[in-house]
Amino acid sequence: DIQMTQSPSNLSASVGDRVSITCRASQIISKYLHWYQHKPGKAPKLLVYAASTLQSGVPSRFSGSGSGADFTLTINSLQPEDFATYYCQQSYSTPFTFGPGTKVDIK
Amino acid sequence: EVQLVVSGGGLIQPEGSLRLSCAASGFSVSDNDMNWVRQAPGKGLEWVSFIYTGGSTNDADSVKGRFTISRDDSKNTLYLQMNSLRHEDTAVYYCARMAMFGVLDLWGQGALVTVSS
Repeated sequence: DIQMTQSPSNLSASVGDRVSITCRASQIISKYLHWYQHKPGKAPKLLVYAASTLQSGVPSRFSGSGSGADFTLTINSLQPEDFATYYCQQSYSTPFTFGPGTKVDIK
Repeated sequence: EVQLVVSGGGLIQPEGSLRLSCAASGFSVSDNDMNWVRQAPGKGLEWVSFIYTGGSTNDADSVKGRFTISRDDSKNTLYLQMNSLRHEDTAVYYCARMAMFGVLDLWGQGALVTVSS
C-alpha cells in the first residue's frame, strides 16, 4: 500500500498569511495526487486535482504543485473561510490512501 | 442538480448489519466509478470501497469480507452493505463520485454509523 504523510499536522496562521502544506507519498505516484478541504459537519470539498489543476469554482489563492512523490498545497492570502482541515489523497493505486490531514486554525 | 444524498445511517449493535444508500441525481452512477469514504470520530478520512463502471469492486483491508459495495442502475443508487460491524466501524460514511485521474469530485453529505451496545 502507498503511505501518505503530510506536514505540518497543525498550522496556526492569520488572515492574509501565505501557507503551504506538504504531502509525501511512499512511492512515485506521478500526478495522481489530489487535495481536499474538510470542515466539520460538511462533505469534503475538492480543491486541486492531478497535483496542480484547480477545480472549477475554487478561488485562485489555492494552488498545487509537485510531481513524483512530493507535493505542496499553497494558500495565498488566507481568508476566514479557509480555516479547515486539508487532506491529500493518491489515486495511483488501491487502496486510495489519504494523508493524515493538516488542520489550519486561527493564530 | 448534480448531487449525492446518503441515507441509512444509525445506531447498530456490534456484529449487526446495516445498509447505506447513496442516491444520485443529475448523472448516472453506472457511468462513473463510485466510492465510499469514512471518517471515524477524531480521525482522518479513510477510503473504504470502490466500484468500477464495469461492476468490479475493490475494498480496504479493514472491511474486506464484511462490507460489500454495489449499485442499482435502475434506481441510480449506490449501496454499502455492512455486516459483522465492529466498534471501530463507527464513522461518518460518505459516498463520492470518481472522475478523471481518480479524483473524488462530488461527495454526498455523509451518514453517521454508530456501532455500540
